[in-house]
Amino acid sequence: EDKVVQSPLSLVVHEGDTVTLNCSYEVTNFRSLLWYKQEKKAPTFLFMLTSSGIEKKSGRLSSILDKKELSSILNITATQTGDSAIYLCAVGGTSYGKLTFGQGTILTVHP
Amino acid sequence: DTEVTQTPKHLVMGMTNKKSLKCEQHMGHRAMYWYKQKAKKPPELMFVYSYEKLSINESVPSRFSPECPNSSLLNLHLHALQPEDSALYLCASSQEEASTDTQYFGPGTRLTVL
Repeated sequence: EDKVVQSPLSLVVHEGDTVTLNCSYEVTNFRSLLWYKQEKKAPTFLFMLTSSGIEKKSGRLSSILDKKELSSILNITATQTGDSAIYLCAVGGTSYGKLTFGQGTILTVHP
Repeated sequence: DTEVTQTPKHLVMGMTNKKSLKCEQHMGHRAMYWYKQKAKKPPELMFVYSYEKLSINESVPSRFSPECPNSSLLNLHLHALQPEDSALYLCASSQEEASTDTQYFGPGTRLTVL
């Protein structure tokens, strides 16, 4: 059975800090790893990483896929209170359309 | 535009009621999904439709009945629900039903079963 584990489960930082969120996976025939940010409602897509795209960056957020270690990190630099959210990692394997989600990391950024 | 819309935003229903959740996308996506999310838990896949045909049913109880009337619309019909079915119901869509196609989520319907 596919498995995705995120760490830490929760994190409290102050504005301006840099954070690193981790995601490790055990998936049959890995195809993709996705990061989402979830505030009050819908998960908002951040990045997709695949064998052909192992690094992504957008503004203060960046993500790297380590296929050897079966893991990914999401970095957020110069955090802001608006970064407070649950960050979800999801992995796609051989079961078309099915994503396996991790438990999420709850990030709280204090002013 | 990566918008998926869902109605209603909130729904309260009794255990004997019949209600429906609606999801719509106009991105030309051919795969649509229903997820259930309980508080402080990740989304759990319920159903996948690909080209308007049911592709995956994750052993969901029959009191949840999905329907895909056309490529832009996805419904979830609810009947005789239990209080433990109270959750956030999320709809998502992707270009195709493929692990390398990004799934975009709607805002969800917050369902309370009394």
